[in-house]
This record gives sequence, structure tokens and C-alpha cells, in this order.
Amino acid sequence: DAGVIQSPRHEVTEMGQEVTLRCKPISGHDYLFWYRQTMMRGLELLIYFNNNVPIDDSGMPEDRFSAKMPNASFSTLKIQPSEPRDSAVYFCASRPSGRATGELFFGEGSRLTVL
Amino acid sequence: AQSVTQPDIHITVSEGASLELRCNYSYGATPYLFWYVQSPGQGLQLLLKYFSGDTLVQGIKGFEAEFKRSQSSFNLRKPSVHWSDAAEYFCAVPNQAGTALIFGKGTTLSVSS
Repeated sequence: DAGVIQSPRHEVTEMGQEVTLRCKPISGHDYLFWYRQTMMRGLELLIYFNNNVPIDDSGMPEDRFSAKMPNASFSTLKIQPSEPRDSAVYFCASRPSGRATGELFFGEGSRLTVL
Repeated sequence: AQSVTQPDIHITVSEGASLELRCNYSYGATPYLFWYVQSPGQGLQLLLKYFSGDTLVQGIKGFEAEFKRSQSSFNLRKPSVHWSDAAEYFCAVPNQAGTALIFGKGTTLSVSS
């Protein structure tokens, strides 16, 4: 079975440019999560969706960040405009409904470098 | 509020030696507890989880963890470390809504020969 698929794996861009990260969750999983990993702050939950609906976006750093989930098999995280402090590894994860909190299945991450 | 503390940022263990990684949690009720491992350049993989019942939980790759309510701890152990265990290890608990996971800042394990 295919796992969570993220693209691109690596992105290098210049400050001020728009960045779009993509995620395909595991088929049948109702929850989708975006996390950001940095040395200073560790793994931070940015936003999560249930059945394509954003449930909690309180972790999104500021208005430059936005996330969408137009259908059950695709989500995007967009940063516009990007800044050097956005450099991080961004992970997408998914899980099925059922037990209140079960195992999250992670993608391999998108490493973003903003120059 | 729910939180997880991993007191050790970096640990080095000799190959073949035993390992214990510490995790302390703050949680309002009986927690669900998780340990994940992240190999370099990879995503996170579940090692083991505790939901209820036996407080000693067995996981993959020979890892185990013990839930101790009195100490608010869920320490990860392995009796004999292999070089391939070098990775970053994360402890996690559910958020207040019980819908997402909150991770500790991780412990990096190095294995020396």
C-alpha cells in the first residue's frame, strides 16, 4: 500500500517567493495533519483536517501560511510570501477515524530552504 | 494543558549496551502515549503505543516502554542497541481534543562502536 506522499522532497527558493507543498494522504484516512519541524521548536502542529474540513488552524504561524484540502486525496500548504525563518521540514500525516487518537502515518517530509 | 518533555537532547550509547530514553508527560486523564522514531531524511515511524492495560508495552525493533502513572513517565528502553538504532526519537501525547498528537522535542541517539 502506498503511504503518505509529499512533494517536493526538497525546495530551495528566494525570500518573497510563493511556496506550495503538496500531500496525498493514505486512501481511506479521514484526518490529515500538517506539521513543521525545526531545530529550535521541534515538531509543531500547524493545521489539521477531518473529512476535508479544517478543524484547527491555531498552529499556523501567520497569515502568510494557508492550507487547503479540496478533496479526500489531496492537500496543499502554501506560504506567500516566504521568509528565511520559514526554512524547515514540513510533514504531512494522516490517520483513519475511529479511536479518539490513533497512530499517525507520516510522509517523508518536504525540506524547505528560503534564502 | 497537555505536554511532553524529553529531558535528554542527545544521548550516545555503545553498540550492544542498553538504552533508556526518558519521557515525561502532562495530561489531564489517563493518557494515550506514543513513541516514534525518525531516521535521517525520513518521516516518523511508530515504535509503540500505550492505550490501556499492561503498563509494559512491546514495540517494533526490540523496543519496549513502561508507563508509570506515579512518575508521569513513559520511558523507552532497549536491552542491546544496534548501530542501525541511531536516529531521533519522539514521545507524543494527544492534544486536548484527542484528535492530534503533541510531540516532545526529541532525543537524538548516537551509537558508538
